Amino acid sequence: DAGITQSPRYKITETGRQVTLMCHQTWSHSYMFWYRQDLGHGLRLIYYSAAADITDKGEVPDGYVVSRSKTENFPLTLESATRSQTSVYFCASSDPSGAGGTDTQYFGPGTRLTVL
Amino acid sequence: SQQGEEDPQALSIQEGENATMNCSYKTSINNLQWYRQNSGRGLVHLILIRSNEREKHSGRLRVTLDTSKKSSSLLITASRAADTASYFCATDTSGSARQLTFGSGTQLTVLP
Repeated sequence: DAGITQSPRYKITETGRQVTLMCHQTWSHSYMFWYRQDLGHGLRLIYYSAAADITDKGEVPDGYVVSRSKTENFPLTLESATRSQTSVYFCASSDPSGAGGTDTQYFGPGTRLTVL
Repeated sequence: SQQGEEDPQALSIQEGENATMNCSYKTSINNLQWYRQNSGRGLVHLILIRSNEREKHSGRLRVTLDTSKKSSSLLITASRAADTASYFCATDTSGSARQLTFGSGTQLTVLP
């Protein structure tokens, strides 16, 4: 199906473990984003990517790693998970160079991550 | 730090009433967007208003933008129970690398 998908939808892990959250979009959008959503903080940008092999830090990048070898995929890795990384993670994509040329973002359904 | 701040944080109204949410921001923008988030779901884009526009309509939605006051409002007319959701404003600041900065949202509850 077309759109933006995230996997897994739910994940429970332990402190210190490595976790990778997957994001896949079928629109060939150039930009992709990772956010975390916590009560009282709204959405905060972790990392973003303007194109394959181009990534940059957002507001809260510490403890996270991203890569983008293909336009359609943008995995987010927590190298050594901490309890403070318990959150809901959203992936999004946008196509500023497309018709209309806006920064409208299209969001995935989210991954709820719990770090014990 | 958050560029946009919504007000009120929570709003409860009866079905059929109008709902108004406000957003204030701090720096100059190219455009401002409103998104809706249903419980347990991702955000969905509702409407975008550019910095040179003052008002925009889309169905039951009306958005205004006052760049002199650095504020925007979202009006939902004739609300329905299905409008129950969180609403976020997002700003695209000048010079940013296509990033959006989201506010903390308004939780709207529409009672049947």
